[in-house]
Amino acid sequence: AQTVTQSQPEMSVQEAETVTLSCTYDTSESDYYLFWYKQPPSRQMILVIRQEAYKQQNATENRFSVNFQKAAKSFSLKISDSQLGDAAMYFCAYRRPPTSGTYKYIFGTGTRLKVLA
Amino acid sequence: NAGVTQTPKFQVLKTGQSMTLQCAQDMNHEYMSWYRQDPGMGLRLIHYSVGAGITDQGEVPNGYNVSRSTTEDFPLRLLSAAPSQTSVYFCASSPRQGRIGYTFGSGTRLTVV
Repeated sequence: AQTVTQSQPEMSVQEAETVTLSCTYDTSESDYYLFWYKQPPSRQMILVIRQEAYKQQNATENRFSVNFQKAAKSFSLKISDSQLGDAAMYFCAYRRPPTSGTYKYIFGTGTRLKVLA
Repeated sequence: NAGVTQTPKFQVLKTGQSMTLQCAQDMNHEYMSWYRQDPGMGLRLIHYSVGAGITDQGEVPNGYNVSRSTTEDFPLRLLSAAPSQTSVYFCASSPRQGRIGYTFGSGTRLTVV
């Protein structure tokens, strides 16, 4: 069974600095999708970035980028030029491809990011 | 605006009461699911559906029922509320292909006293 592990329950970063959140996963499949979601105090879950396993190029969305290491089964999120609005809980998620016949997403337990002014 | 509409946002129940959390999406997504979020435990899947008329259990289905009579709606029923069901509940939907990820509702904070 697939698992997703976020080993950092909480992290802090100074405003304008860079921080990396870790995520590892366990799977025997070669094709899948990975996601990072942000949950600010408003509670709303917001998709930050996504990565398709067959793509070697790391995904980037403005200040957010990932380091996808398929062989190591690692999917870390880098936030550059951190802003106060980045303070939130961040969840890593894994999804099997539709060809697997299932559509379940598997979430990590989350990393709470604090941004210090 | 297109998205997932989840109601109510807050609810307090007495032990033993029943209620239904509503979830509707207007994106024609095949896949819908319900999660509960508890501190330190991330998101745990309660029930899910891959299309109208098809539902299945997730990790923590006990005490909850679902139905999917239409593509748009996926209500979650609490049969007899217990304090252990105090949590934040999220409804989410996704197209079958799944590449774009989930769209989440805004969540329901449920307290059972």
